[in-house]
Amino acid sequence: GQQLNQSPQSMFIQEGEDVSMNCTSSSIFNTWLWYKQDPGEGPVLLIALYKAGELTSNGRLTAQFGITRKDSFLNISASIPSDVGIYFCAGQKASGTYKYIFGTGTRLKVLA
Amino acid sequence: GAVVSQHPSRVICKSGTSVKIECRSLDFQATTMFWYRQFPKQSLMLMATSNEGSKATYEQGVEKDKFLINHASLTLSTLTVTSAHPEDSSFYICSARAGDYEQYFGPGTRLTVT
Repeated sequence: GQQLNQSPQSMFIQEGEDVSMNCTSSSIFNTWLWYKQDPGEGPVLLIALYKAGELTSNGRLTAQFGITRKDSFLNISASIPSDVGIYFCAGQKASGTYKYIFGTGTRLKVLA
Repeated sequence: GAVVSQHPSRVICKSGTSVKIECRSLDFQATTMFWYRQFPKQSLMLMATSNEGSKATYEQGVEKDKFLINHASLTLSTLTVTSAHPEDSSFYICSARAGDYEQYFGPGTRLTVT
């Protein structure tokens, strides 16, 4: 099935550093969402974006809905060890099916 | 709020047997639930959309006779893997739709077929 492209695929960072990751698509989405998944668990919703250009924060996390509606960005400021995990973007088209298309994931590892 | 549970969390079964996985929305009603499959180090792939009171809609390439879905109430959907084979071993995750856009995910079920 279709997947959204996420980059980077994985990253090691030092504790306290800021992190940026993005998600791109060749088609337009009306909603973008970001999830975090810990090993052996289901994804947990971090941020949902509903309008092109929207910038939304949730604590140290900030996400933006790209103006073209074909991309989204997630930033994590001052990373801490518990930020370790896999971050997935998900896009939803306004087709009424409510289905998500998931990104390929960004695996984050934080070095203390 | 928006808690989704799955049962069992882990199951081991023998090849040829059937396994049922339950997905429940605990504090909200969900007219739509989704079933995903996730292989190690890969993303989530949608298998089917489950609508309360109607037949499930399966994604291309997913065998509906092998993965039986029943959405009997607004808080419960079940996935039955019939005649399981080792290649069906995977992490199965359900989600429930809350509102128009947001899905909340269960903790997943690890299926191992021996």
